[in-house]
Amino acid sequence: ELKVEQNPLFLSMQEGKNYTIYCNYSTTSDRLYWYRQDPGKSLESLFVLLSNGAVKQEGRLMASLDTKARLSTLHITAAVHDLSATYFCAVAPSGNTPLVFGKGTRLSVIA
Amino acid sequence: DVKVTQSSRYLVKRTGEKVFLECVQDMDHENMFWYRQDPGLGLRLIYFSYDVKMKEKGDIPEGYSVSREKKERFSLILESASTNQTSMYLCASLRSGETQYFGPGTRLLVL
Repeated sequence: ELKVEQNPLFLSMQEGKNYTIYCNYSTTSDRLYWYRQDPGKSLESLFVLLSNGAVKQEGRLMASLDTKARLSTLHITAAVHDLSATYFCAVAPSGNTPLVFGKGTRLSVIA
Repeated sequence: DVKVTQSSRYLVKRTGEKVFLECVQDMDHENMFWYRQDPGLGLRLIYFSYDVKMKEKGDIPEGYSVSREKKERFSLILESASTNQTSMYLCASLRSGETQYFGPGTRLLVL
């Protein structure tokens, strides 16, 4: 059974600082997703990572995938308040089965 | 742009009522999903469907049923609503190998 673990689950960081959120998964997969969720809202797709070594960047967020280590990271550069949200990673098991989601990392960026 | 819509953003129902939550997607995706999201419990999969008239149980199907009579529409039915079904309900759709898109969510309160 595929398990997805995110850490940390809660993160309070100062504006301007850098930090990384980690997503570990337990079995082989070839697709990993990152989503953002604002309070009271739905999930918004940020990145889809499809192969080992894949790196994608959007603004202050950069996601990478190491399929051999079964690890994805979401790196935040020079955090700003607008990045405060909950971030989920999700992994696609092999075959046609639903995504498995991590529990989410609640990020709070403070001045 | 993929669009996933849900019939209501907010619903208030009484215990014992039959509740219908509708989800429509406009991108001809074969896969559709219903999740509920509760504080501290993350996203939990209720039911999913890979094709018209086809359904599969997710992790927490008890107390729910679904209907998929047309490819673009996936309905979640609470046969007899109970207070422990108060939650945020999220619909999603997916073309295999691509991004999974979420609807805006329905916040259901059962009194």
